[in-house]
Amino acid sequence: EIVLTQSPATLSLSPGERATVSCRASQGVRSYLAWYQQKPGQAPRLLIYDASKRATGIPARFSGSGSGTDFTLTISSLEPEDFAVYYCQQRSNLVTFGGGTKVDIK
Amino acid sequence: QVQLVQSGAEVQKPGASVKVSCKASGYSFTGYYVHWVRQAPGQGPEWVGWINPKNGDTNYAQKFQGRVTMTRDTSSTTVYMDLSSLRSDDTAVYFCARDMGGTSMVGVLLITDYYDFWGQGTLVTVSS
Repeated sequence: EIVLTQSPATLSLSPGERATVSCRASQGVRSYLAWYQQKPGQAPRLLIYDASKRATGIPARFSGSGSGTDFTLTISSLEPEDFAVYYCQQRSNLVTFGGGTKVDIK
Repeated sequence: QVQLVQSGAEVQKPGASVKVSCKASGYSFTGYYVHWVRQAPGQGPEWVGWINPKNGDTNYAQKFQGRVTMTRDTSSTTVYMDLSSLRSDDTAVYFCARDMGGTSMVGVLLITDYYDFWGQGTLVTVSS
């Protein structure tokens, strides 16, 4: 099973700041990686797929990069509605998710 | 608009079974795979399996094989997940989610294992 390790566990930032979330895979997943946003009591929301493609309706402030084992989700300027938990997910070998990164208000 | 509406919360005893439904609307029901994903309290999501609503084919994560059954009813555009021999560590929110793949030009369902629309979740609590 491919293990996805996210860092940091918590990121405390202010609105307008840049957020950078990392995801490291235990083995290469090529570009088969997605990012989801989840708010309390809600289902996850697809943000990015294939490492860098924005899903339909996702604002341009969200971007993804990386391939192989190291990936990054960047939010260029945090809006109030962006404070949430973010998960990475790989589909290269079965499907697994990371443990999540909470972006909270500083 | 695409919607996946799930059945309500369940409380079951260890060893019992639970059946969760997911009614799809706003798109071609037989044109997209549907997955089930669960999330234990405070944990990341975990993939359970998928069903092809067009022909009923299924594929389950190894850890659930023998305990999970996914079915569909095309007349009501509903998919179901049945989980048996429940244990306390099955306590989780169970989500259905649509695969973003759609259907190819020649009518073959495409699977991407990326999930673009989700149900609201069903809390299953296993407790004696």
